[in-house]
Amino acid sequence: EDQVTQSPEALRLQEGESSSLNCSYTVSGLRGLFWYRQDPGKGPEFLFTLYSAGEEKEKERLKATLTKKESFLHITAPKPEDSATYLCAVRITGGGNKLTFGTGTQLKVEL
Amino acid sequence: ETGVTQTPRHLVMGMTNKKSLKCEQHLGHNAMYWYKQSAKKPLELMFVYSLEERVENNSVPSRFSPECPNSSHLFLHLHTLQPEDSALYLCASSQEQGGGYEQYFGPGTRLTVT
Repeated sequence: EDQVTQSPEALRLQEGESSSLNCSYTVSGLRGLFWYRQDPGKGPEFLFTLYSAGEEKEKERLKATLTKKESFLHITAPKPEDSATYLCAVRITGGGNKLTFGTGTQLKVEL
Repeated sequence: ETGVTQTPRHLVMGMTNKKSLKCEQHLGHNAMYWYKQSAKKPLELMFVYSLEERVENNSVPSRFSPECPNSSHLFLHLHTLQPEDSALYLCASSQEQGGGYEQYFGPGTRLTVT
């Protein structure tokens, strides 16, 4: 069965304290791994898509990487405005356009 | 309007009511989705419409009835709901065949069933 597991469930950082969020997946065939940011009471906001192992993408303080079994979202020198829940999702071979989501990592960045 | 819009943003309904949620996408996409988001659970895919045809129905109870009159609009008709149906209902859209398949979400409708 296809599975997406995110860790940790919650993370508290001081402003400027870099860290990484993990998304591990067990799927039959990966067609894409997606990262989203979700603020309270809002819909998820698309961040990145990664398609193959070794691929990396960056946006401001965020950098997403992909291996054959997991993805990391690295946050460099975070600011309080980076506080949100970060979701990852996978699209699999034969799954059409369906995305399977993890439960997310709730990040809080404090001054 | 830009992106994906949803109305209403908040809805409180009794178990015997009938109501509808509306979604509109302004991105020119050809696929639309309904998701349910409950606390501490992953997003649950409910329905998928591709080129206005329903292509997925994830064992959703019949008290939820989707409608996609065209590629820009999606509705979720609700009737005789249960308290456990209280959740955030999210609409999303994506571009198939030539797009990256990333889905763009609306702000959601917070539904409370009393």
